[in-house]
Amino acid sequence: AQTVTQSQPEMSVQEAETVTLSCTYDTSESDYYLFWYKQPPSRQMILVIRQEAYKQQNATENRFSVNFQKAAKSFSLKISDSQLGDAAMYFCAYRGPPLQGGSEKLVFGKGTKLTVNP
Amino acid sequence: KAGVTQTPRYLIKTRGQQVTLSCSPISGHRSVSWYQQTPGQGLQFLFEYFSETQRNKGNFPGRFSGRQFSNSRSEMNVSTLELGDSALYLCASSLGQGKSGHEQYFGPGTRLTVT
Repeated sequence: AQTVTQSQPEMSVQEAETVTLSCTYDTSESDYYLFWYKQPPSRQMILVIRQEAYKQQNATENRFSVNFQKAAKSFSLKISDSQLGDAAMYFCAYRGPPLQGGSEKLVFGKGTKLTVNP
Repeated sequence: KAGVTQTPRYLIKTRGQQVTLSCSPISGHRSVSWYQQTPGQGLQFLFEYFSETQRNKGNFPGRFSGRQFSNSRSEMNVSTLELGDSALYLCASSLGQGKSGHEQYFGPGTRLTVT
């Protein structure tokens, strides 16, 4: 079974600085999707960024970027120029191969609580 | 476009009762997944529906069930509630097919408290 591990239960960063959240996963598949979700204290889960395993280029969305190391099964999230609004729980998630009619079940890590200090 | 909506937002039930939670996906989305979130176990997959058919099921007892209607709205039911069922229940919707269909969008959740 696929597993996702986030080894940092909590992280903190100063406003305007950069922080990296770690995620490792285990799978025997060669094609899959990886996601980072953000869950602010209001509890609405928001998709931050996604990465397709077949793409070598790391995904980027504004201040958010990933470092995808397929061989190492590592998928870290870098947040640049951190803002107070970035404070939230961050979840790394794995989704299996895009088979026709296949399930879209997400496997989540335990999450990393990010605090942004002013 | 309206986002994923879940009703009710908060619910308090007594052990042994049953409960039904509702989820309305984003318009045009045909896949609905349900997750249970607790401080101890984190986010766990319950089940997924696509075009009124259950496409996948997580490792939960038979007390947890669900269904999807022709308009893609979904309900989940928990019978014979136990204290351990207290959790935030999240619903997520996606297009359900095609490469762009793999992004799931979550609702605000239903906070269930069992006393």
